[in-house]
Amino acid sequence: AQSVTQLDSQVPVFEEAPVELRCNYSSSVSVYLFWYVQYPNQGLQLLLKYLSGSTLVESINGFEAEFNKSQTSFHLRKPSVHISDTAEYFCAVSGRMEYGNKLVFGAGTILRVKS
Amino acid sequence: KAGVTQTPRYLIKTRGQQVTLSCSPISGHRSVSWYQQTPGQGLQFLFEYFSETQRNKGNFPGRFSGRQFSNSRSEMNVSTLELGDSALYLCASSLEGAGYTFGSGTRLTVV
Repeated sequence: AQSVTQLDSQVPVFEEAPVELRCNYSSSVSVYLFWYVQYPNQGLQLLLKYLSGSTLVESINGFEAEFNKSQTSFHLRKPSVHISDTAEYFCAVSGRMEYGNKLVFGAGTILRVKS
Repeated sequence: KAGVTQTPRYLIKTRGQQVTLSCSPISGHRSVSWYQQTPGQGLQFLFEYFSETQRNKGNFPGRFSGRQFSNSRSEMNVSTLELGDSALYLCASSLEGAGYTFGSGTRLTVV
């Protein structure tokens, strides 16, 4: 079984400042890792994913996350945030099972970008 | 390429009624899974279907059921609705091992 802990429920930050949203996971099997973003009254949008290969993954809008197997972490970072990044961010994990994959989500972190 | 389509977007039902929600996955995706999102419990896995077979099921009562058709479209059904079933229901489709794409969800309100 897998579990995900997002260490901060809310992160306030000023525009153009850097931000890190923390995510730790636990699993007895190898995993895939994801970050999703949710804007008000919308579904989940995939921000980035780690499936295999390079442990540093990047999104097209400047976010990056690094898979750290020894620390079982997958923290999300952005060097300079914009007002439009205000949203709720979810870290998720799925086991590398041959059949029956499912996503296990953290509780979410609300990123509030202030001007 | 069309995304994941969920219908309807909003639904209001009365306690005791039943409801059916629909999900059309991305073309070529054979896996469809359903999630419930509430403020108190967060995002919880309901079930996953692959090639018309339920592959995995979460910890929800038997009132929650689903099915998948030969064209990969999926429906979920909730019978004997309770107030606590009010939630955003999200559908996701995926290619094996490649990540999950979510629809915009169906907001169900039970009164």
